[in-house]
Amino acid sequence: DAKTTQPNSMESNEEEPVHLPCNHSTISGTDYIHWYRQLPSQGPEYVIHGLTSNVNNRMASLAIAEDRKSSTLILHRATLRDAAVYYCILRDAQGGSEKLVFGKGTKLTVNP
Amino acid sequence: EPEVTQTPSHQVTQMGQEVILRCVPISNHLYFYWYRQILGQKVEFLVSFYNNEISEKSEIFDDQFSVERPDGSNFTLKIRSTKLEDSAMYFCASSGRASGSPSLFVQYFGAGTRLSVL
Repeated sequence: DAKTTQPNSMESNEEEPVHLPCNHSTISGTDYIHWYRQLPSQGPEYVIHGLTSNVNNRMASLAIAEDRKSSTLILHRATLRDAAVYYCILRDAQGGSEKLVFGKGTKLTVNP
Repeated sequence: EPEVTQTPSHQVTQMGQEVILRCVPISNHLYFYWYRQILGQKVEFLVSFYNNEISEKSEIFDDQFSVERPDGSNFTLKIRSTKLEDSAMYFCASSGRASGSPSLFVQYFGAGTRLSVL
């Protein structure tokens, strides 16, 4: 799987938007961009994924750069419950490997 | 909402003992996984299981580890002779539907079993 680069940590205030960046300059044409998060003392949790177009779901939005070398996970209004480690993971649709390869992710702190 | 259930939540064992970690995946899922996370470190893939056999495994998953789906609902991870370095959180996950690339399926994780080897 191609590598991703994320900031180690970010901080936000409650009810403000949060933009979590991810760089993936070596992304291939068949790589999907997945985001998972891990709340304290929990297992990882799926957030969102996309290929080229921006995506929205009830949890977040995913903005993908036109050249696909970077993406941004957007939490529109952070809550205390959003404090977690966020992982950006590339998955090759043609590679067939089922495993998720986790990096260190971005630890998001949400201040009340 | 369906969820992956893991038991026990915490397992304490002596070095050299065998342990079995248990998981009940989401009922209509076809792919099953074990991951582990040593305290303060990354989540690491151990093994994936499909159609009653291992489909992929990591270097960590050596002969001391085995997996089984004994009865169509449970999925177990056995460590035959535990070592101190096996102390970690172990996460079970499941995913899948009948068609499509498994590399794109969303994986649903359990809350984990904390294994402490003394």
